[in-house]
Amino acid sequence: DTAVSQTPKYLVTQMGNDKSIKCEQNLGHDTMYWYKQDSKKFLKIMFSYNNKELIINETVPNRFSPKSPDKAHLNLHINSLELGDSAVYFCASSQDGAHTEAFFGQGTRLTVV
Amino acid sequence: QKEVEQNSGPLSVPEGAIASLNCTYSDRGSQSFFWYRQYSGKSPELIMFIYSNGDKEDGRFTAQLNKASQYVSLLIRDSQPSDSATYLCASRRSSARQLTFGSGTQLTVLP
Repeated sequence: DTAVSQTPKYLVTQMGNDKSIKCEQNLGHDTMYWYKQDSKKFLKIMFSYNNKELIINETVPNRFSPKSPDKAHLNLHINSLELGDSAVYFCASSQDGAHTEAFFGQGTRLTVV
Repeated sequence: QKEVEQNSGPLSVPEGAIASLNCTYSDRGSQSFFWYRQYSGKSPELIMFIYSNGDKEDGRFTAQLNKASQYVSLLIRDSQPSDSATYLCASRRSSARQLTFGSGTQLTVLP
């Protein structure tokens, strides 16, 4: 049973298109995240939701919009895609607690051409 | 200054040697520290976490934390070619849920 699953795994699209990435976790965690990993492997937090409520919204273009229909799902919608959006996007989840780790999905490699 | 800094490497060690990976952090509010391993094209997976000063051992892995000096390290004993990966150091504030990552150190273990 996959703990954190994302779809699609690969996404190739043209500039200007709108696309969505879906994420689901079956760990019963309260908090979910979107991270972006650039070509230099740097993982940067984009958004975090706790029980469907947005708690972190880092400085990302407002073309990126997360949606959490319930605490097990966190989707990422991207409008008007740009070349610089090409990266690997990871969904993650964690349980609340002082020293809990994040569990990551398999990643979505987005390529904008 | 990045909150979590790591030498990007690449770091190469011969099989059977000890690999030493280092990480420094700038936020004194950081309470927990995590080491993730990421194989090429895969997602990060947790190896160890540490939140108390000193050493923590788990099999071939030892995490070390020195809060006064604001550094964290990971030692891999008896390195194997299968340990070749990028190792990501991450910190977490007690008041936060998200992890803040360094840019990773690429380790290659030579057979």
